[in-house]
Amino acid sequence: KQEVTQIPAALSVPEGENLVLNCSFTDSAIYNLQWFRQDPGKGLTSLLLIQSSQREQTSGRLNASLDKSSGRSTLYIAASQPGDSATYLCAVPSGYALNFGKGTSLLVTP
Amino acid sequence: GAGVSQTPSNKVTEKGKYVELRCDPISGHTALYWYRQSLGQGPEFLIYFQGTGAADDSGLPNDRFFAVRPEGSVSTLKIQRTERGDSAMYLCASSPLGSTDTQYFGPGTRLTVL
Repeated sequence: KQEVTQIPAALSVPEGENLVLNCSFTDSAIYNLQWFRQDPGKGLTSLLLIQSSQREQTSGRLNASLDKSSGRSTLYIAASQPGDSATYLCAVPSGYALNFGKGTSLLVTP
Repeated sequence: GAGVSQTPSNKVTEKGKYVELRCDPISGHTALYWYRQSLGQGPEFLIYFQGTGAADDSGLPNDRFFAVRPEGSVSTLKIQRTERGDSAMYLCASSPLGSTDTQYFGPGTRLTVL
């Protein structure tokens, strides 16, 4: 069974810092990986989808990388802002389902 | 266009009651998924529909849970004889074709069983 782990579980940084969120998975036979954002009590917003043939995807201040062979992905957030405060989840497909990590809870303080 | 919508946004019920949760996917999306998320956890897969049929219901925890999608659009998740352990956020997602696509999530239904 695919296991997804996210480190750290929680992170607090001052505004303006660059930061890295980590995701690892046990089965490297994946065809894509998604990063999501979840605000408290809300649904999930897709941030980035990386196909297995890609190594990176960028959207604005976000950059996600994927290393299938080592079972790792990172989400890099540049110049963090208080509005980035949320929980960030990574997910990999397993059959028809997405397997999620528990998320990293990010707090960016002004 | 409109995203995935879910109703109600919040549902409070008593132990032993029956509840229905509704999901309206993005128009034209053939794939629909239900997930359940407990506090502090990531979402856990419940069931996947491709069109009208349940292609994978392996995540349903027991036979008190059932879901339908009779016309290949709106889906209803039904929970019989609710238990306090059923309290969670229930999330619905849809995608254009299937499991290789980005899944678009709705705002969720927060179910509380007293």
